Amino acid sequence: EVQLVESGGGLVQPGRSLRLSCVASGFTFDDFAVHWVRQVPGKGLEWVSGISWSSANIGYADSVKGRFTISRDNAKKSLYLQMDSLRAEDTALYYCAKGTGGSYKGGLDYWGQGTLVTVSS
Amino acid sequence: SYELTQPPSVSVSPGQTASITCSGDKLGDKYVWWYQQKPGQSPVLVIYQVTKRPSGIPERFSGSSSGNTAILTISGSQAMDEADYHCQAWDSSTVVFGGGTRLTVL
Repeated sequence: EVQLVESGGGLVQPGRSLRLSCVASGFTFDDFAVHWVRQVPGKGLEWVSGISWSSANIGYADSVKGRFTISRDNAKKSLYLQMDSLRAEDTALYYCAKGTGGSYKGGLDYWGQGTLVTVSS
Repeated sequence: SYELTQPPSVSVSPGQTASITCSGDKLGDKYVWWYQQKPGQSPVLVIYQVTKRPSGIPERFSGSSSGNTAILTISGSQAMDEADYHCQAWDSSTVVFGGGTRLTVL
């Protein structure tokens, strides 16, 4: 069974940093791309970032480019999102999601339960 | 940047066919994915690469695409199909989601 478990969310002040983690199980982690997608409660999904199986290809949404950094550790079957210079508009539930192939240029076939990030003073 | 447009809401009577549209420039030339999200739950993939159903997804879910529009069709809608549906495509090195459609079965 594919499982993705996020952690690291919480309350943080504007301008500060936070690091999210996602641990994967139930599939060969280093064969697949993985993504971060966020959702403000009651709103739609917003793709944040994706990373290919080898970390060679990475993409970011314009809204987070230059502030967020995605990375992965295949030995630990883990995905990370370093979020710097956080803003109130970054407040959302952050999902970790498995890509359908090795490239992040595709769909997402399994999702975690999400970790909530609240940016507020 | 690329945009996908969905109607905010669609209503359907039980047993009838629901059609949810997703529009974007030359969307018919791209792969499209569809996700179902019930309240308080994470999204679930229901259609991938425009027309394909993952294992475990009922046959009443189908997808199509042509021109600038992709369509998710739910034949014989059931109460359990009431949910938000999100379309997704890929363009210029980014994953793009539509705004989501709330399907009401009543």
